Amino acid sequence: QSVLTQPPSASGTPGQRVTISCSGSGSNIGFDNINWYQLLPGTAPKLLIYNNSHRPSGVPDRFSGSKSGTSASLAISGLQSEDEADYFCAAWNDGRNHWVFGGGTKLTVL
Amino acid sequence: QVQLVESGGGVVQPGGSLRLSCEVSGFTFSTYHMHWVRQAPGKGLEWVALILNDGSNAYYAESVQGRFTVSRDNSKSTLHLQLSTLRVEDTATYYCAKAKGWFLRDYLEYWGQGTLVTVSS
Repeated sequence: QSVLTQPPSASGTPGQRVTISCSGSGSNIGFDNINWYQLLPGTAPKLLIYNNSHRPSGVPDRFSGSKSGTSASLAISGLQSEDEADYFCAAWNDGRNHWVFGGGTKLTVL
Repeated sequence: QVQLVESGGGVVQPGGSLRLSCEVSGFTFSTYHMHWVRQAPGKGLEWVALILNDGSNAYYAESVQGRFTVSRDNSKSTLHLQLSTLRVEDTATYYCAKAKGWFLRDYLEYWGQGTLVTVSS
């Protein structure tokens, strides 16, 4: 059971906009920043969004992040087939000196 | 460019031990905190451990506390994870990751491709 809660799956057709939610508590998302990672089979996890809404260099602006209270969202607009992957949220958990992750959302491009 | 390459995974019996390594390049290893994160088959990511840049302190997930030990050799730009008293539920792909900065809460910036540990009799 992951500390951060994500829907197990999401889907959309090419060109659509999809959002993936991540819910936590006042000790993690409500306390600190949320970060998002993309995981493709056999590859290294890739940082997509850091500190709630910032994109690292090289990440398309189709990816965006937001946070409100103890919840956060990752939005992907103009969905492409190569976006089919697993997406994870992560946050620092205050008071216990450790990091927590969501259970992951498998995105399918129909 | 930044590279992290894990090694040392394999098949081990319950109760056994294994030592994972992560060789890094492309950045000044001794400057950054480092993490281990794992993913069991069909499951989500689980943070395992964090070691400070100078190796002076380390933090562990409750699920591995007392069984796993993280260490680093800054002279060789290498991170290690000693896995002991292994359980079937420790079966996972283990990733090393570089922290962005000097705070425990700085995000995990770069990751390796992982090494698979299978605990089975």
